[in-house]
Amino acid sequence: EDQVTQSPEALRLQEGESSSLNCSYTVSGLRGLFWYRQDPGKGPEFLFTLYSAGEEKEKERLKATLTKKESFLHITAPKPEDSATYLCAVRSLNNDMRFGAGTRLTVKP
Amino acid sequence: NAGVTQTPKFQVLKTGQSMTLQCAQDMNHEYMSWYRQDPGMGLRLIHYSVGAGITDQGEVPNGYNVSRSTTEDFPLRLLSAAPSQTSVYFCASRATVAGANVLTFGAGSRLTVL
Repeated sequence: EDQVTQSPEALRLQEGESSSLNCSYTVSGLRGLFWYRQDPGKGPEFLFTLYSAGEEKEKERLKATLTKKESFLHITAPKPEDSATYLCAVRSLNNDMRFGAGTRLTVKP
Repeated sequence: NAGVTQTPKFQVLKTGQSMTLQCAQDMNHEYMSWYRQDPGMGLRLIHYSVGAGITDQGEVPNGYNVSRSTTEDFPLRLLSAAPSQTSVYFCASRATVAGANVLTFGAGSRLTVL
């Protein structure tokens, strides 16, 4: 069965303190790995899609990378407005989408 | 651009009551789906539809019904609510053209069953 595990569950950073979030996955044929951002009381908002090992995508202070077994979301010099829950999801060959439980990021000023 | 609209935003039910969560999208997406989100767990797929008149079960379908009479609307029905259905529900849609992978989510409906 496809599985997605995100770590840590929660992460507290000082403003400017860079770090990484991890998404480990097992999937029967990867058709895409997705990162979403979710703010309290709102629906997930799409950030990135990665398709193959070695691929990287960047958006402002965020960079997502992908290997054959995990993905990292690197946050460089975060700001308080980066505080949110970050969700990882994988799509398998049968088009099923499996989500991780998320990492709740808090950035203190 | 409304995107995906869900109503109501909040609802409290008593055990055994029925209700319908509404979902509408204005992007002409063929694919629509319902997820539930519980603390410490990832989003779990309840039901999905690949077009008007076509629906199928996801990972956790028991206790829920859906129908898809139009491209725009995809309501989720709880026929006899149970406390285990207390959750936040999200509707999502996407196109089904080649290369279209991204789900667009609604803002969610928080349901409490007493």
